[in-house]
Amino acid sequence: KQEVTQIPAALSVPEGENLVLNCSFTDSAIYNLQWFRQDPGKGLTSLLLIQSSQREQTSGRLNASLDKSSGRSTLYIAASQPGDSATYLCAVKDTGRRALTFGSGTRLQVQP
Amino acid sequence: EAQVTQNPRYLITVTGKKLTVTCSQNMNHEYMSWYRQDPGLGLRQIYYSMNVEVTDKGDVPEGYKVSRKEKRNFPLILESPSPNQTSLYFCAVVFGTEAFFGQGTRLTVV
Repeated sequence: KQEVTQIPAALSVPEGENLVLNCSFTDSAIYNLQWFRQDPGKGLTSLLLIQSSQREQTSGRLNASLDKSSGRSTLYIAASQPGDSATYLCAVKDTGRRALTFGSGTRLQVQP
Repeated sequence: EAQVTQNPRYLITVTGKKLTVTCSQNMNHEYMSWYRQDPGLGLRQIYYSMNVEVTDKGDVPEGYKVSRKEKRNFPLILESPSPNQTSLYFCAVVFGTEAFFGQGTRLTVV
């Protein structure tokens, strides 16, 4: 059964820092991996989706990488801003399943 | 604009009182699912539906029911809620590689 782990559980950084959020998964037979952002009182917003055949995806200040063989993904946030404060969730979609398996998230606080 | 709408957003109820959380989508997609989110456990799938009248259990289905009588709606039913069902619930619509989530329903069972 797929298990997804996110480290760290919480992170507080000063504004302007570059930071890395980590996600690891136990079964490398994935179809894709997705990073979401969750704001209090709101739903999940998809940030980046990486197909199993891809190594990375970029959107603005965000860059997500995928190393399927080692079961790892990282979300890199450049020049962090207070508006980046949120919980970041990693989710994998296994081959042959439609359900997503989520990590428990990293709660990020960017201090102004 | 793709939308997944859940109602209510917040609900406090008592043990044993039946309740329904509604979910509707405007995308005409076939696959819909329900998740619950608990601290330290991430989101876990409760039930999913591949199409009208086709539903199946996810990872944590105990204590829940669903129905899919029409494509746009996928209600989550708690026949006899218990305190361990206090959680944040999300409805999701999956199309191809993309997943769209509702804004969540925070349920408290006392």
